[in-house]
Amino acid sequence: QSALTQPASVSGSLGQSITISCIGTSSDVGHYDLVSWYQQLPGKAPKLMIFDVTKRPSGVSDRFSGSKSGDTASLTISGLQADDEADYYCSSYTTSGDTLVFGGGTKVTVL
Amino acid sequence: EVQLVESGGGLVQPGGSLRLSCVGSGLIFSNYRMHWVRQAPGKGLVWVAGITSDSAFTNYAKSVKGRFTISRDNAKNTVYVELKSLTAEDTAVYYCVRGATNSWTPFNFWGQGTLVTVSS
Repeated sequence: QSALTQPASVSGSLGQSITISCIGTSSDVGHYDLVSWYQQLPGKAPKLMIFDVTKRPSGVSDRFSGSKSGDTASLTISGLQADDEADYYCSSYTTSGDTLVFGGGTKVTVL
Repeated sequence: EVQLVESGGGLVQPGGSLRLSCVGSGLIFSNYRMHWVRQAPGKGLVWVAGITSDSAFTNYAKSVKGRFTISRDNAKNTVYVELKSLTAEDTAVYYCVRGATNSWTPFNFWGQGTLVTVSS
């Protein structure tokens, strides 16, 4: 069981927007603004998409955005494209042992 | 171009040991914290261990603490993780990850991974 809870799958049509939730606790997501999101394309290594809840690394499309409310962080993908099909993972620093935790991952399907 | 190249994976018997290496290029290696993150076949990502840029601090997941040891040699642009007392649950692709300069998060850049299989 992962420390952070994500839906197993989310789907959307081309051009639509989808949102992936990442539910934590007051020890991780709710405690720090240190949530990040990773995209893993099939057979590839993960790639950083969002860090510190809302920040985008250079080169990441502005169709990807992050937010947080309380113990829940969210990743929104707008204008869904076929190559957005991937697994997405959230991660956070946690006071529990001062370690890092991931969510279980969400498979995004573009219909 | 930043590159992280892992090596050292392979088949090992239960109870055995292995040392993984990761060589970085295209970056000022000594500036960054480094991590190992693993992914069992068909499963999600699990953070394993991290080390500060100067090796002053290391940090481990509960599941590997006391069995795995992370270290680095900045002169060789290399980070290591020594795996001991391995069980089938340690079977995974192990990714070397470049972290931030002064924070344990985020995981900025990932290598392609090396597969460790624990089986008799």
